[in-house]
Amino acid sequence: DQQVKQNSPSLSVQEGRISILNCDYTNSMFDYFLWYKKYPAEGPTFLISISSIKDKNEDGRFTVFLNKSAKHLSLHIVPSQPGDSAVYFCAASETGNQGGKLIFGQGTELSVKP
Amino acid sequence: NAGVTQTPKFRVLKTGQSMTLLCAQDMNHEYMYWYRQDPGMGLRLIHYSVGEGTTAKGEVPDGYNVSRLKKQNFLLGLESAAPSQTSVYFCASSYGPVQYFGPGTRLTVT
Repeated sequence: DQQVKQNSPSLSVQEGRISILNCDYTNSMFDYFLWYKKYPAEGPTFLISISSIKDKNEDGRFTVFLNKSAKHLSLHIVPSQPGDSAVYFCAASETGNQGGKLIFGQGTELSVKP
Repeated sequence: NAGVTQTPKFRVLKTGQSMTLLCAQDMNHEYMYWYRQDPGMGLRLIHYSVGEGTTAKGEVPDGYNVSRLKKQNFLLGLESAAPSQTSVYFCASSYGPVQYFGPGTRLTVT
Protein backbone atom coordinates (compact mmCIF):
# COMPACT_ATOMS: atom_id res chain seq x y z
CA ASP A 1 0.00 0.00 0.00
CA GLN A 2 1.90 3.00 -1.33
CA GLN A 3 0.67 6.01 0.64
CA VAL A 4 2.86 8.47 -1.27
CA LYS A 5 3.29 8.09 -5.02
CA GLN A 6 5.42 9.78 -7.62
CA ASN A 7 4.12 8.37 -10.87
CA SER A 8 6.80 9.81 -13.13
CA PRO A 9 10.14 7.99 -12.71
CA SER A 10 11.89 10.56 -14.87
CA LEU A 11 11.52 14.04 -16.35
CA SER A 12 13.65 15.89 -18.88
CA VAL A 13 13.49 19.68 -19.40
CA GLN A 14 15.53 22.33 -21.14
CA GLU A 15 17.62 24.78 -19.16
CA GLY A 16 15.65 27.94 -18.38
CA ARG A 17 12.26 26.25 -18.65
CA ILE A 18 9.95 25.20 -15.83
CA SER A 19 10.22 21.78 -14.19
CA ILE A 20 7.08 20.41 -12.56
CA LEU A 21 7.36 17.35 -10.34
CA ASN A 22 4.20 15.73 -9.04
CA CYS A 23 3.29 13.71 -5.96
CA ASP A 24 0.02 12.11 -4.82
CA TYR A 25 -0.90 10.78 -1.39
CA THR A 26 -3.72 8.69 -0.01
CA ASN A 27 -3.62 9.23 3.76
CA SER A 28 -5.80 12.21 4.75
CA MET A 29 -4.03 12.37 8.13
CA PHE A 30 -0.82 13.67 6.51
CA ASP A 31 -0.43 17.33 7.41
CA TYR A 32 3.16 18.17 6.51
CA PHE A 33 4.89 17.60 3.21
CA LEU A 34 8.53 17.87 2.18
CA TRP A 35 10.68 17.67 -0.93
CA TYR A 36 14.18 16.27 -0.85
CA LYS A 37 16.84 16.38 -3.55
CA LYS A 38 19.39 13.60 -3.98
CA TYR A 39 22.56 13.55 -6.03
CA PRO A 40 24.25 10.21 -6.85
CA ALA A 41 26.36 8.77 -4.02
CA GLU A 42 25.07 11.39 -1.56
CA GLY A 43 22.33 11.48 1.04
CA PRO A 44 19.02 13.27 0.42
CA THR A 45 19.04 16.98 1.28
CA PHE A 46 16.00 18.94 2.37
CA LEU A 47 14.70 21.35 -0.26
CA ILE A 48 11.34 22.83 0.73
CA SER A 49 8.27 21.96 2.78
CA ILE A 50 4.64 22.93 3.24
CA SER A 51 2.13 22.60 6.02
CA SER A 52 -1.43 21.53 5.26
CA ILE A 53 -2.71 24.92 6.45
CA LYS A 54 -1.10 26.49 3.37
CA ASP A 55 -1.56 25.86 -0.33
CA LYS A 56 1.71 27.38 -1.52
CA ASN A 57 5.23 27.90 -0.25
CA GLU A 58 8.00 29.61 -2.16
CA ASP A 59 11.77 29.66 -1.70
CA GLY A 60 13.71 31.30 -4.50
CA ARG A 61 13.34 29.27 -7.68
CA PHE A 62 11.39 26.54 -5.86
CA THR A 63 7.66 26.60 -5.16
CA VAL A 64 5.56 23.82 -3.68
CA PHE A 65 1.80 23.73 -4.24
CA LEU A 66 -0.61 21.67 -2.16
CA ASN A 67 -4.11 20.68 -3.25
CA LYS A 68 -5.63 18.97 -0.21
CA SER A 69 -8.92 18.07 -1.87
CA ALA A 70 -7.06 16.23 -4.63
CA LYS A 71 -4.39 14.91 -2.22
CA HIS A 72 -1.78 16.22 -4.63
CA LEU A 73 1.34 18.31 -4.32
CA SER A 74 3.75 19.59 -6.90
CA LEU A 75 7.21 21.16 -6.96
CA HIS A 76 7.89 23.87 -9.52
CA ILE A 77 11.45 24.87 -10.39
CA VAL A 78 11.74 28.10 -12.37
CA PRO A 79 14.03 28.57 -14.18
CA SER A 80 15.55 25.11 -14.30
CA GLN A 81 19.34 24.86 -14.25
CA PRO A 82 21.66 21.94 -15.12
CA GLY A 83 22.70 21.75 -11.45
CA ASP A 84 19.08 20.87 -10.60
CA SER A 85 19.59 17.48 -12.27
CA ALA A 86 19.00 15.00 -9.44
CA VAL A 87 16.43 12.61 -8.00
CA TYR A 88 13.61 14.39 -6.16
CA PHE A 89 11.65 12.66 -3.41
CA CYS A 90 8.43 13.89 -1.90
CA ALA A 91 7.64 12.86 1.67
CA ALA A 92 4.66 13.18 3.98
CA SER A 93 4.20 13.17 7.72
CA GLU A 94 1.53 13.21 10.40
CA THR A 95 3.06 15.77 12.76
CA GLY A 96 1.10 14.39 15.68
CA ASN A 97 2.62 10.93 15.44
CA GLN A 98 5.42 10.03 17.77
CA GLY A 99 8.77 9.86 16.08
CA GLY A 100 8.19 12.28 13.21
CA LYS A 101 8.16 9.46 10.69
CA LEU A 102 8.25 10.35 7.00
CA ILE A 103 6.69 8.33 4.20
CA PHE A 104 8.57 8.77 0.93
CA GLY A 105 7.53 8.50 -2.67
CA GLN A 106 9.56 6.49 -5.17
CA GLY A 107 11.40 9.50 -6.55
CA THR A 108 11.52 11.32 -9.89
CA GLU A 109 14.83 11.72 -11.72
CA LEU A 110 15.05 15.21 -13.21
CA SER A 111 17.45 15.88 -16.07
CA VAL A 112 17.97 19.52 -17.08
CA LYS A 113 19.64 19.79 -20.46
CA PRO A 114 21.78 22.81 -21.39
CA ASN B 1 29.42 20.68 12.50
CA ALA B 2 29.81 17.37 10.67
CA GLY B 3 26.04 16.82 10.71
CA VAL B 4 25.17 13.15 10.22
CA THR B 5 28.00 10.75 9.49
CA GLN B 6 27.88 7.06 8.60
CA THR B 7 30.50 4.34 8.68
CA PRO B 8 31.44 2.41 6.68
CA LYS B 9 30.73 3.91 3.22
CA PHE B 10 30.90 0.57 1.43
CA ARG B 11 30.83 -3.05 2.53
CA VAL B 12 30.58 -6.45 0.88
CA LEU B 13 29.32 -9.34 3.01
CA LYS B 14 28.81 -13.01 2.36
CA THR B 15 25.43 -14.54 3.13
CA GLY B 16 25.18 -15.34 6.84
CA GLN B 17 27.80 -12.86 7.99
CA SER B 18 26.97 -10.13 10.46
CA MET B 19 27.86 -6.47 10.62
CA THR B 20 27.00 -3.20 12.32
CA LEU B 21 26.47 0.14 10.63
CA LEU B 22 27.23 3.20 12.73
CA CYS B 23 25.43 6.52 12.52
CA ALA B 24 26.55 9.58 14.46
CA GLN B 25 25.06 13.07 14.67
CA ASP B 26 26.42 16.19 16.33
CA MET B 27 23.25 18.31 16.19
CA ASN B 28 21.84 17.12 19.55
CA HIS B 29 18.76 15.73 17.80
CA GLU B 30 16.38 13.53 19.78
CA TYR B 31 15.07 11.52 16.84
CA MET B 32 17.14 9.20 14.65
CA TYR B 33 16.18 6.89 11.78
CA TRP B 34 17.50 4.13 9.56
CA TYR B 35 16.23 3.82 5.97
CA ARG B 36 17.04 1.62 3.05
CA GLN B 37 16.83 2.77 -0.55
CA ASP B 38 16.17 0.32 -3.35
CA PRO B 39 15.61 1.12 -7.04
CA GLY B 40 12.06 2.22 -7.74
CA MET B 41 11.03 2.03 -4.09
CA GLY B 42 12.10 5.31 -2.54
CA LEU B 43 13.30 5.30 1.05
CA ARG B 44 11.73 2.84 3.45
CA LEU B 45 12.00 3.17 7.22
CA ILE B 46 13.68 0.24 8.96
CA HIS B 47 13.81 1.34 12.61
CA TYR B 48 13.77 4.63 14.45
CA SER B 49 14.43 6.10 17.89
CA VAL B 50 12.72 8.96 19.71
CA GLY B 51 15.46 9.31 22.28
CA GLU B 52 18.42 7.71 24.01
CA GLY B 53 17.62 4.17 25.07
CA THR B 54 14.49 3.87 22.89
CA THR B 55 13.92 2.09 19.57
CA ALA B 56 10.87 1.25 17.48
CA LYS B 57 10.07 -0.68 14.32
CA GLY B 58 9.48 1.01 11.03
CA GLU B 59 8.05 -0.29 7.77
CA VAL B 60 10.67 -2.99 7.01
CA PRO B 61 12.30 -4.09 10.29
CA ASP B 62 12.75 -7.83 9.68
CA GLY B 63 16.36 -9.00 9.70
CA TYR B 64 17.66 -5.87 11.42
CA ASN B 65 18.27 -4.79 15.00
CA VAL B 66 19.14 -1.37 16.38
CA SER B 67 20.50 0.22 19.51
CA ARG B 68 20.65 3.80 20.80
CA LEU B 69 22.88 3.69 23.86
CA LYS B 70 24.03 7.29 23.41
CA LYS B 71 21.98 10.19 22.12
CA GLN B 72 24.41 10.94 19.32
CA ASN B 73 24.75 7.37 17.99
CA PHE B 74 22.32 4.97 16.33
CA LEU B 75 23.58 1.52 15.36
CA LEU B 76 21.99 -0.79 12.79
CA GLY B 77 22.87 -4.48 13.00
CA LEU B 78 22.47 -7.33 10.55
CA GLU B 79 22.84 -10.61 12.44
CA SER B 80 22.77 -12.93 9.43
CA ALA B 81 22.99 -11.06 6.14
CA ALA B 82 20.88 -12.13 3.17
CA PRO B 83 21.13 -11.10 -0.50
CA SER B 84 17.77 -9.32 -0.10
CA GLN B 85 19.55 -6.88 2.24
CA THR B 86 21.71 -5.59 -0.58
CA SER B 87 20.82 -1.92 -0.59
CA VAL B 88 21.93 1.60 0.22
CA TYR B 89 21.34 2.47 3.86
CA PHE B 90 20.75 6.00 5.06
CA CYS B 91 20.68 7.33 8.57
CA ALA B 92 18.84 10.53 9.46
CA SER B 93 18.20 12.67 12.51
CA SER B 94 15.70 15.38 13.38
CA TYR B 95 14.24 17.58 16.11
CA GLY B 96 11.17 18.57 14.06
CA PRO B 97 9.53 17.48 10.82
CA VAL B 98 12.67 18.01 8.71
CA GLN B 99 15.09 15.09 8.75
CA TYR B 100 18.79 15.48 7.97
CA PHE B 101 20.49 12.59 6.21
CA GLY B 102 23.93 11.06 6.23
CA PRO B 103 25.85 10.18 3.04
CA GLY B 104 24.79 6.53 3.02
CA THR B 105 26.36 3.07 3.22
CA ARG B 106 26.30 0.86 0.13
CA LEU B 107 26.01 -2.77 1.24
CA THR B 108 26.29 -5.77 -1.05
CA VAL B 109 25.49 -9.26 0.20
CA THR B 110 26.73 -12.07 -2.03
